[in-house]
Amino acid sequence: DSGVTQTPKHLITATGQRVTLRCSPRSGDLSVYWYQQSLDQGLQFLIQYYNGEERAKGNILERFSAQQFPDLHSELNLSSLELGDSALYFCASSVGNLPSYEQYFGPGTRLTVT
Amino acid sequence: QQQVKQSPQSLIVQKGGISIINCAYENTAFDYFPWYQQFPGKGPALLIAIRPDVSEKKEGRFTISFNKSAKQFSLHIMDSQPGDSATYFCAASIQGGSEKLVFGKGTKLTVNP
Repeated sequence: DSGVTQTPKHLITATGQRVTLRCSPRSGDLSVYWYQQSLDQGLQFLIQYYNGEERAKGNILERFSAQQFPDLHSELNLSSLELGDSALYFCASSVGNLPSYEQYFGPGTRLTVT
Repeated sequence: QQQVKQSPQSLIVQKGGISIINCAYENTAFDYFPWYQQFPGKGPALLIAIRPDVSEKKEGRFTISFNKSAKQFSLHIMDSQPGDSATYFCAASIQGGSEKLVFGKGTKLTVNP
């Protein structure tokens, strides 16, 4: 158990809908990262927050947004969902804001868009 | 544009054998190279990492070899065990620059008993 929690575990929704994925980092970790994992694209970095502020942006679509709250939990919002958004979404946390700090991954949320 | 190329996609090894997974990178500014292990239904977990100031790092049965001039690094699993069966991802990043890890596409390792 990494100490990172993600909810929900599974999510099935229809195209055009909006969903929110939630992540609680390990106690004491200030950074939260979001990743998308699909069979063809592998593990893709989406966005990073550090202590409430956006720190780095990766391959995140404009339809996706995220935020980190004062209690350090984070939410990833996915809107106008398309079939291609079906994937595993992982949250990871680390104590610092550099990639050399070990990132602890949560169990993921499996999103299925029908 | 894939900045870290990983091979092979899948690997089958007999128990006790050596598993070797290779990665090649393009960006010479990368200076941190971790390997992650992912079991089915779980998130990736850091296995071992290396910086370019050393050519090899060993932790138990796992060894990273790093070749800076060739821009390649590899993971060797000695005395492979069925419990090592998982997907392995190499990654690379620039510590002082953009704070993101670029991952390879993964290698599914199966160790037969």
